Amino acid sequence: DQQVKQNSPSLSVQEGRISILNCDYTNSMFDYFLWYKKYPAEGPTFLISISSIKDKNEDGRFTVFLNKSAKHLSLHIVPSQPGDSAVYFCAASFSGAGSYQLTFGKGTKLSVIP
Amino acid sequence: DTAVSQTPKYLVTQMGNDKSIKCEQNLGHDTMYWYKQDSKKFLKIMFSYNNKELIINETVPNRFSPKSPDKAHLNLHINSLELGDSAVYFCASSTALSGGEQYFGPGTRLTVT
Repeated sequence: DQQVKQNSPSLSVQEGRISILNCDYTNSMFDYFLWYKKYPAEGPTFLISISSIKDKNEDGRFTVFLNKSAKHLSLHIVPSQPGDSAVYFCAASFSGAGSYQLTFGKGTKLSVIP
Repeated sequence: DTAVSQTPKYLVTQMGNDKSIKCEQNLGHDTMYWYKQDSKKFLKIMFSYNNKELIINETVPNRFSPKSPDKAHLNLHINSLELGDSAVYFCASSTALSGGEQYFGPGTRLTVT
């Protein structure tokens, strides 16, 4: 039972254009959402997050949008750069039980073409 | 200066053996985690642990056990290894104030033959 879904396994974008990665979730208990970036043979690295009380969070070239009613979030990267080529994981958590266990999506492989 | 480190990076062993993977974090975090990334690339939580509480994902076989000698270390012990245990195992850490932001180690690729 996938509670966090990333339905696009891969995405190719030209350098300088916008990359949009999508994520859907089913568990309405989730109250915190994160995006991680992962290069081959490395662990995931935190990119950006958003609390369920917000609908947008921006950090430089990266913006995450949250639509709670649709249980959907998206990551926008503008402008895309070749170094952004990686697998992007969407993750969700809820603050019960005193620790933040993350539930991950399956990932979307982004390729930015020079 | 590595924040979360794991050893070994690669581990090849035979079915039935017992093995351990070590994890250390120098971030001063109070909570540590183990995740498993299987062949389908899903990253799934196995355990979360702080000095007060161990939370176990109920799908994890009891052949897997976390052991924490101190706040900076959370080792993963696996008994009677099976072929299906082959995966990449990631350690992570966070602070209760981080809102879920976790720092991951580089992973340990375990291959059971």
